[in-house]
Amino acid sequence: AAGVIQSPRHLIKEKRETATLKCYPIPRHDTVYWYQQGPGQDPQFLISFYEKMQSDKGSIPDRFSAQQFSDYHSELNMSSLELGDSALYFCASSSPPRGLAGHTQYFGPGTRLTVL
Amino acid sequence: AQTVTQSQPEMSVQEAETVTLSCTYDTSENNYYLFWYKQPPSRQMILVIRQEAYKQQNATENRFSVNFQKAAKSFSLKISDSQLGDTAMYFCAFMKRYSGGGADGLTFGKGTHLIIQP
Repeated sequence: AAGVIQSPRHLIKEKRETATLKCYPIPRHDTVYWYQQGPGQDPQFLISFYEKMQSDKGSIPDRFSAQQFSDYHSELNMSSLELGDSALYFCASSSPPRGLAGHTQYFGPGTRLTVL
Repeated sequence: AQTVTQSQPEMSVQEAETVTLSCTYDTSENNYYLFWYKQPPSRQMILVIRQEAYKQQNATENRFSVNFQKAAKSFSLKISDSQLGDTAMYFCAFMKRYSGGGADGLTFGKGTHLIIQP
């Protein structure tokens, strides 16, 4: 079965640089979520999009922005990178609330961002 | 806002034993989902099981089952016949349920590191 695709899988940036992470949801999933997981920590919710509109907002820094495009893929843009932004960034997607799996979030493999 | 508490940072059991991971949560919502996710050393987040709060029947998925006590706000995970491949970090998670489209993010507990010994 198709899964959530994230690219790149690994990214190394310098402080103050910018980074763009991409997420391709499972086909027919209409909602995308972004999470940040620091070393030894639980994932923290950043932001979600439903039908290309922002649905919910968590602890996303003002330096970060995201959007969902007409083909439902999403991009997380990170500017003025700091050392503390080094983390594993997950994208997840979910289908409409009909059926047994509605609203269940399926995660991609993550993008490991290292800021030097 | 809701909180999720996992009181067992680490557990270790022998292969083939049964183990129960505990999770409690606090919310003022009446309509929500609860999940258990597994994160092995590869750090992939894998869905283990899902429970809808309005359903009284406890969810089961093969060797995995939950004990959902809504009034007590408790949601424990039981793993039967544990296997070496079950070694992972297990996260309990809460999500508010919407009847229509859109959804909130997951609120995770701090996780329980489960080690299955051969």
